[in-house]
Amino acid sequence: AQSVSQHNHHVILSEAASLELGCNYSYGGTVNLFWYVQYPGQHLQLLLKYFSGDPLVKGIKGFEAEFIKSKFSFNLRKPSVQWSDTAEYFCARNYGGSQGNLIFGKGTKLSVKP
Amino acid sequence: SQTIHQWPATLVQPVGSPLSLECTVEGTSNPNLYWYRQAAGRGLQLLFYSVGIGQISSEVPQNLSASRPQDRQFILSSKKLLLSDSGFYLCAWASGSNGELFFGEGSRLTVL
Repeated sequence: AQSVSQHNHHVILSEAASLELGCNYSYGGTVNLFWYVQYPGQHLQLLLKYFSGDPLVKGIKGFEAEFIKSKFSFNLRKPSVQWSDTAEYFCARNYGGSQGNLIFGKGTKLSVKP
Repeated sequence: SQTIHQWPATLVQPVGSPLSLECTVEGTSNPNLYWYRQAAGRGLQLLFYSVGIGQISSEVPQNLSASRPQDRQFILSSKKLLLSDSGFYLCAWASGSNGELFFGEGSRLTVL
């Protein structure tokens, strides 16, 4: 069965610190990878996605992620976080069934101290 | 542009009572629709998906059911709620062929 692992449950950073959130996915089939973000009181929204091509993908708000096939990883990065990045971040990959069948990691809560 | 709406936003129900959560999508036709449940510390779990009117696929055995009576309407139901049905339920639709999901605002269900 497909799976997605997020290594950090809760990350606390100061503003301007660099961020890297880990995500590992299970091998199998065509891999489409996503990072979603949920800001406090808001609905889930897409940060970035990888389908194919350049393994370094850029998303909204200065986030980027790198697909490393040999490590089955898709880590999320941001060079300098802001207080407004405080949110919960979810990594996800596709699996069979239909195009929107995604399996999600358990999420990483990011708290940025001003 | 496409929009997705869920209601009610918050619901408190006694054990054994029925449930109906509704989701509608506007601005797109024949979307794939999804119900996910989000539990604290456990991520999101796909419950049901639908590729068309009357077509429902269940991903996990449970006390809930889903229906799609119209192209852009997706309903999550239960005849008798259990305590374990408490959670945050998210409706979503998929754009394109690669699985990008657009989520509704969510419905928080508390079963007492």
